[in-house]
Amino acid sequence: DVKVTQSSRYLVKRTGEKVFLECVQDMDHENMFWYRQDPGLGLRLIYFSYDVKMKEKGDIPEGYSVSREKKERFSLILESASTNQTSMYLCASSFRIRGTEAFFGQGTRLTVV
Amino acid sequence: AQKVTQAQTEISVVEKEDVTLDCVYETRDTTYYLFWYKQPPSGELVFLIRRNSFDEQNEISGRYSWNFQKSTSSFNFTITASQVVDSAVYFCALSELTQGGSEKLVFGKGTKLTVNP
Repeated sequence: DVKVTQSSRYLVKRTGEKVFLECVQDMDHENMFWYRQDPGLGLRLIYFSYDVKMKEKGDIPEGYSVSREKKERFSLILESASTNQTSMYLCASSFRIRGTEAFFGQGTRLTVV
Repeated sequence: AQKVTQAQTEISVVEKEDVTLDCVYETRDTTYYLFWYKQPPSGELVFLIRRNSFDEQNEISGRYSWNFQKSTSSFNFTITASQVVDSAVYFCALSELTQGGSEKLVFGKGTKLTVNP
């Protein structure tokens, strides 16, 4: 079974903290994605990576950065967390083949206080 | 840019009713892919189906069926004889090629389906 694992299910951080969200996949997928999910807004893409050390901005990259040092791991970094970054964060991965489905992790619910 | 519209924010039905979830998309691409995902209360999105733009055949899988119509840019999802376990948020998604040549998914806002016993 494909497995996409996010390091935390729930996280509470203080405003201004640097926050790391980690995601690991075990299927040798080239693509990895970070989305955030907010009520009424659906899933919005923050960043994605199509190879080690490669990344592309998504639709809402402001306030975030990412790191992909190994193929199986994709980290989302909030340099200075703010309350408007309180959200559900979803990691996904897929093969770099047109039309292939993405597999999702269980999500990290981040609360910034 | 690509766009996916799921006009129904929430739907509530009674068990055994049939229910259709609507999905309308906009794209400039001639080749594209459409997807449906299910997000149960546990939170993890589960892939249900993929359709490419050249295949307009409808698909049936058990109680689930999908109707793809390029003429109306729609990819609707019907659950027949709904069950309580079908309660979830359902997302429609469309593939989009990026400037770098990669592919990403653009999601609709989702439809929350509640099936009551």
